[in-house]
Amino acid sequence: EAGVVQSPRYKIIEKKQPVAFWCNPISGHNTLYWYRQNLGQGPELLIRYENEEAVDDSQLPKDRFSAERLKGVDSTLKIQPAELGDSAVYLCASSLSGPLQVTESEAFFGQGTRLTVV
Amino acid sequence: AQSVTQLDSQVPVFEEAPVELRCNYSSSVSVYLFWYVQYPNQGLQLLLKYLSGSTLVKGINGFEAEFNKSQTSFHLRKPSVHISDTAEYFCAVSFPGFQKLVFGTGTRLLVSP
Repeated sequence: EAGVVQSPRYKIIEKKQPVAFWCNPISGHNTLYWYRQNLGQGPELLIRYENEEAVDDSQLPKDRFSAERLKGVDSTLKIQPAELGDSAVYLCASSLSGPLQVTESEAFFGQGTRLTVV
Repeated sequence: AQSVTQLDSQVPVFEEAPVELRCNYSSSVSVYLFWYVQYPNQGLQLLLKYLSGSTLVKGINGFEAEFNKSQTSFHLRKPSVHISDTAEYFCAVSFPGFQKLVFGTGTRLLVSP
């Protein structure tokens, strides 16, 4: 079974430029997460989707970040314009969630996109 | 609010020696606890989890962890480490019913020959 697929793996852009990351979750997983991992830190949640609905975006900097999950499958995270402080690894994860799932919150992670803003 | 503390940023150890990576959490209600491993340039992989039941949890690659409610700890242990265990290890917590993981800052395990 394929895992969570993210692209690109690496991205270098100049500040003020836009950038987009793509994530394909594990087939059948209804919950999708975007995390940001700064150097030397643990991942921090940016946004969580249940199917196509963003149910937790409280940590997403909405002035420059946006995300979408059309049709409740693939997702795209965008930054426009990028700032130097946005340099980090952006991780996508997915899980199968619901009231009958005893393994709730067991998220499967992709390899991440390492963004460098120069 | 939930929080996770991993006091050791780096743990050096020799191959075949035992190791313990410490994790403490802060929460006034019941939580789920997790340990993830991250190899260089890779995503996170679940090592083990505690949801309920037995406080001693066994995971993959010979790792185990013990949930201690009174000490609010969930330390990770392995009796004999290998070079291949060199990686970053993250402890995480979530609330039952809430699909959100809160991670610690990670502990880098360095295994040398």
